[in-house]
Amino acid sequence: SQKIEQNSEALNIQEGKTATLTCNYTNYSPAYLQWYRQDPGRGPVFLLLIRENEKEKRKERLKVTFDTTLKQSLFHITASQPADSATYLCAPGKGGSYIPTFGRGTSLIVHP
Amino acid sequence: GAGVSQSPSNKVTEKGKDVELRCDPISGHTALYWYRQSLGQGLEFLIYFQGNSAPDKSGLPSDRFSAERTGGSVSTLTIQRTQQEDSAVYLCASSFSGDSEKLFFGSGTQLSVL
Repeated sequence: SQKIEQNSEALNIQEGKTATLTCNYTNYSPAYLQWYRQDPGRGPVFLLLIRENEKEKRKERLKVTFDTTLKQSLFHITASQPADSATYLCAPGKGGSYIPTFGRGTSLIVHP
Repeated sequence: GAGVSQSPSNKVTEKGKDVELRCDPISGHTALYWYRQSLGQGLEFLIYFQGNSAPDKSGLPSDRFSAERTGGSVSTLTIQRTQQEDSAVYLCASSFSGDSEKLFFGSGTQLSVL
């Protein structure tokens, strides 16, 4: 069955460092992959989408990579700030299907 | 409206009662989704509406769950004879059209079944 894996343990980093979050998937060939941010008590907020024919996507301090051979996406936040502390969810999606499947998310804590 | 609106934000009910959760999507968005998020768990897909097409109900966990979308806008998720395992945050999302993968979420309804 399809499986999406994100680090269940919280990632603690120091302000100013680069945070790297991992999303692995198995038994799945997504045509695209999205990353969302979720703060406590709020719904997820869309950050970035990367398609299977794209290796890398950037938006301000965010960078996402998509390796269809490794079945993995990496999400980077450079020059991290305490305000970046949140849970980050990856959501691979199949072509022709507009119902993303979400991972459990990884909690990021940026210490000042 | 400016964003996806869900009501109530919190609902406490007794086991066996029926509940209705409401979602007001962003104006002009034709696709509407319901997800459920239990503590420490990922988002579990429940149901998807796209325009006038028949909804995709493949994620509904039991026949106690149903949803409708009236006039292509507001949606109501109904849970009959609630059970304690139904306790979760119910999230609604909308997107501009069926071929736009980017979802806009509401803040959710926290349902607690006692």
